[in-house]
Amino acid sequence: AQKVTQAQTEISVVEKEDVTLDCVYETRDTTYYLFWYKQPPSGELVFLIRRNSFDEQNEISGRYSWNFQKSTSSFNFTITASQVVDSAVYFCALSEVGDSSYKLIFGSGTRLLVRP
Amino acid sequence: DTGVSQDPRHKITKRGQNVTFRCDPISEHNRLYWYRQTLGQGPEFLTYFQNEAQLEKSRLLSDRFSAERPKGSFSTLEIQRTEQGDSAMYLCASTSTSGSSADTQYFGPGTRLTVL
Repeated sequence: AQKVTQAQTEISVVEKEDVTLDCVYETRDTTYYLFWYKQPPSGELVFLIRRNSFDEQNEISGRYSWNFQKSTSSFNFTITASQVVDSAVYFCALSEVGDSSYKLIFGSGTRLLVRP
Repeated sequence: DTGVSQDPRHKITKRGQNVTFRCDPISEHNRLYWYRQTLGQGPEFLTYFQNEAQLEKSRLLSDRFSAERPKGSFSTLEIQRTEQGDSAMYLCASTSTSGSSADTQYFGPGTRLTVL
């Protein structure tokens, strides 16, 4: 069955530190999408990135970078030089192409606190 | 281009009352999803629509829950005879099945329900 695990419940760092949020997934589908969403205190889920299972290239967007490794079923997210505004709950999610609904299966989230 | 909107943002009700939430998706999106998120957890899929057709319902969606999308635009989620266990954040998301961002779900701000 499909599953997303975010083992880190909460991470606390000091501003300007680098931080990596881990995500491990399980799926029997060979084609799938992986996502990261950010949920600030206001509650709205903000889309950050989507990766396709056949594209293992790492991606960098400003201070954000993502490392996708199919061999270890991981899709980790790194924030470089963290800022207080990065404080939020971050969710990793999986969507299977074989499931016609493309519904998202979420992990339990990692709460990131960036202290000034 | 406006995002997904939800109304109301907060609802407090007494046990046994009926409540109805509304979601307005991004205008060109043909798929609409409902998720439920309880404290400290990731969102869980409830149901989804393609245009006006409700194509899948989760086992989480008991008989007291009903969702509609009558004209393939906005959607409503009704909970009858609310119970304290229904207290949660109800999130709506929409996506298109075509285009460069197909199958990426964009979320609304959510409706936080508190059942007393």
